[in-house]
Order: sequence, then structure tokens, then C-alpha cells
Amino acid sequence: AQSVTQLGSHVSVSEGALVLLRCNYSSSVPPYLFWYVQYPNQGLQLLLKYTTGATLVKGINGFEAEFKKSETSFHLTKPSAHMSDAAEYFCAVSEATGGFKTIFGAGTRLFVKA
Amino acid sequence: DAEITQSPRHKITETGRQVTLACHQTWNHNNMFWYRQDLGHGLRLIHYSYGVQDTNKGEVSDGYSVSRSNTEDLPLTLESAASSQTSVYFCASSETSGNTIYFGEGSWLTVV
Repeated sequence: AQSVTQLGSHVSVSEGALVLLRCNYSSSVPPYLFWYVQYPNQGLQLLLKYTTGATLVKGINGFEAEFKKSETSFHLTKPSAHMSDAAEYFCAVSEATGGFKTIFGAGTRLFVKA
Repeated sequence: DAEITQSPRHKITETGRQVTLACHQTWNHNNMFWYRQDLGHGLRLIHYSYGVQDTNKGEVSDGYSVSRSNTEDLPLTLESAASSQTSVYFCASSETSGNTIYFGEGSWLTVV
């Protein structure tokens, strides 16, 4: 069965520093992988997704993620944090054997210090 | 622009009352979902539908029901509200399974 683990419920970085949010997944078949962002009092919105093809995926707002099959990871990065990046980030997985139901991780709240 | 509208956005109700949260999408998506979001648990799937007259239980479906009479709407009913159902509820939709999920703004429900 598919599952998602996000390492660290809270991550704090300084403005201008590297952002690294970790996500590991469990899947018996090639998965579809997603990162969603949730700003305060809003619903989630898609940041980026991996389905097939290039393993380095670029998303909105300068974020990117790399699918590493050997490590079953899909970590989210951004070279330089901005105050507006403060939000909660969710990794998600979807696979064929799960009927393509999307399973979400518990979320990582990103704090950006001035 | 297409969107998902949830109502009410905020509600306080008493234990034992029936509550219905409305969800209306203009994406014309076949798939619709209800999630609840709780601290430390992320999003958990309550019910989902792959089309009109189709409904399925998610991982936390006890105490909840849905019905799908048209493409646009998937109301969520709490049959007898309990304090454990105090949460933020998100309605969502997607064009096909495994595709991007689009979310509503959320409904904050407090059961006292």
C-alpha cells in the first residue's frame, strides 16, 4: 500500500537560505508524486508534480523537486527562501494499485525568519 | 474561472445535531473528494466519488455520508455530530484519478 512520510513537522530557515523539505514514499509500482502548498486559511494548491519522464521537476515560485527511485524520495527545494514562502507544505502520492487515490503526508510547516 | 465553493465556511453546532456541508464545483470534474484536516494528521480522506451516483468510503468515513446526484455537487452530512468531528473540512475535485486535485477554501466546523 502506498504511504508518505514527511520528515519534520516544522522547518525554520532564514530569508535567503536554502529550503529543503523532505518526503519519502512507499509504493509498489511507479508512483505519481505531488507537492501542495497551503497558505493560512486557504485550501491546498499544487506546487509541482512528477508523473513520468524527467526526474527533476520545476514548480511555481522557484520550487523544484527530484524523484529518486533508489531512495524512494521526492524532496522539495528552493535555493533562496522568501518571507512569502511561509506556509504548510504537503507531499502526496498516487499509484495505480491504490486506484489512483491520492494519499497525503502529515505536512511540514515552513517558517522564514527575517 | 472554474472553482470549488464550500458553504458554510464556519459553523458551530451542538453534539447530536445533523450537519450538512455543501460543495459545488464548476470544473466539470468527475472525481470529487472530502478530506478533513487535523493537526498532526495532515489530510485524511472521508469519502470520494468518481461520478454521478458513485460514492466510496475513505479512511475516516464513520459518522459521515455523501451523495452524488449531479456532477457539480457532493454534500457531506454528519449524521449525529460529535466533538471528535470538530475539524477543518476540504472539498476537492480532479479531472481523472491520479491527476492534480483542486481544493475549496475549507469549512471550519466546531461541535460543542
